[in-house]
Formats: sequence, structure tokens, C-alpha cells
Amino acid sequence: RKEVEQDPGPFNVPEGATVAFNCTYSNSASQSFFWYRQDCRKEPKLLMSVYSSGNEDGRFTAQLNRASQYISLLIRDSKLSDSATYLCVVRGNYGGSQGNLIFGKGTKLSVKP
Amino acid sequence: GAVVSQHPSRVICKSGTSVKIECRSLDFQATTMFWYRQFPKQSLMLMATSNEGSKATYEQGVEKDKFLINHASLTLSTLTVTSAHPEDSSFYICSASEGSLNTIYFGEGSWLTVV
Repeated sequence: RKEVEQDPGPFNVPEGATVAFNCTYSNSASQSFFWYRQDCRKEPKLLMSVYSSGNEDGRFTAQLNRASQYISLLIRDSKLSDSATYLCVVRGNYGGSQGNLIFGKGTKLSVKP
Repeated sequence: GAVVSQHPSRVICKSGTSVKIECRSLDFQATTMFWYRQFPKQSLMLMATSNEGSKATYEQGVEKDKFLINHASLTLSTLTVTSAHPEDSSFYICSASEGSLNTIYFGEGSWLTVV
């Protein structure tokens, strides 16, 4: 089982749509959770951290379910500029790579006019 | 502005030659730096963890003699791809963190093409 798995995508949605991405992680010792955004041929950029209580940043809402080892990202009122690949990222304080970020393969979102 | 600078952003080299990529933290001292590689349509894969003043820790399957990492100062880590081959062509990204590891910053990435 892969450490971080995401919806395969791609998601093609019209402007204004609401879209949800799901992610599961395999290691229950994982401590921190993030959503990153990666534009084509660019480095990933932090979109938001994910907290157990759920958190919102404008049109973006992230949720974490530790019992199910499940993370989600909801984007409301999609904009053309939201088109990118969204990476589910987990960090665990385990193994030989303390602090290492483990990335999912990403889900590509295309928002159409 | 960028807090982690990576150079060069793009490089083309001949097969068999070596290429050095630099990763610099601009506004902080990076006790830990990470080197990732990303092939097309794949996720970022950690290659090695670089700690200032000590040997890098390589992930399983990454050849330490081929991918030389040097973290000689608190603001600079370098990755040297030795005897590069076309299959080494990839997007290489570094990230850096301060001592607490609470915040990790990414460099802009380096596109390596080996011809």
C-alpha cells in the first residue's frame, strides 16, 4: 500500500463549481498534514495545513480524520486560477527521515470557463 | 520573495558528465535540507536528507556515490549528479527547514536534461 494515496483525477470542472479531493495515508504515526499546490513545471507551494478540528481558508476547507487516516480538501466557487495539481502531503516523525514530507501523486484540477 | 533559492533552474548536460545543483536558504539557517526528484506525472520522491556538518542520509535505492550531497554551511547544500545518464533527467527540488522543522520551504526546482 502506498504511503499517501489520492484520487487519481483529473478533475475537469466549470468555473464556480465545488470540488472535493480525498487522500488516505498508511502510517498512523504521521503527525502533520498539508495540502500543497503544484503548477506545471514548478515547485510545490503550501496551500494549507490540515488540523484535526478542520480548518478553512477562504474558499478552501481542509479536514482530517485520524481514525480513518483520511484527509480532504474542498474548493468552493472554483476559479480558473485554481487549475493546478493538488498534492496531499504527510509528515511523520518516524524512520530515518525525521521531518520528511511524503507526497501523494497529486490530483490534477482543470477549471474551465 | 523566495526564502530558498535553487540554481540552476535548467541545465542540459552531456551523458557522462557531472552536474552540480545548489540550494541556498536566504533568510534563515537551514540545519536540515531535503533533496527530492520528480519524474513526469509522478510524485516528489525524497532522495536524501542533508544535515549541516554531517553525512547525508540517503533513501533506499538512491546511490550515494552517484548523487553526492554536501551541506557544508547552514545556508548551502549542493547535489552533484555524477556521470549523468539520460535516465537521470528529471526535476530536482530541494527544501530547507530551520531547527524546529515546523516550516519547510521549497526551492524553485532544477530541470536536468541529460543528452
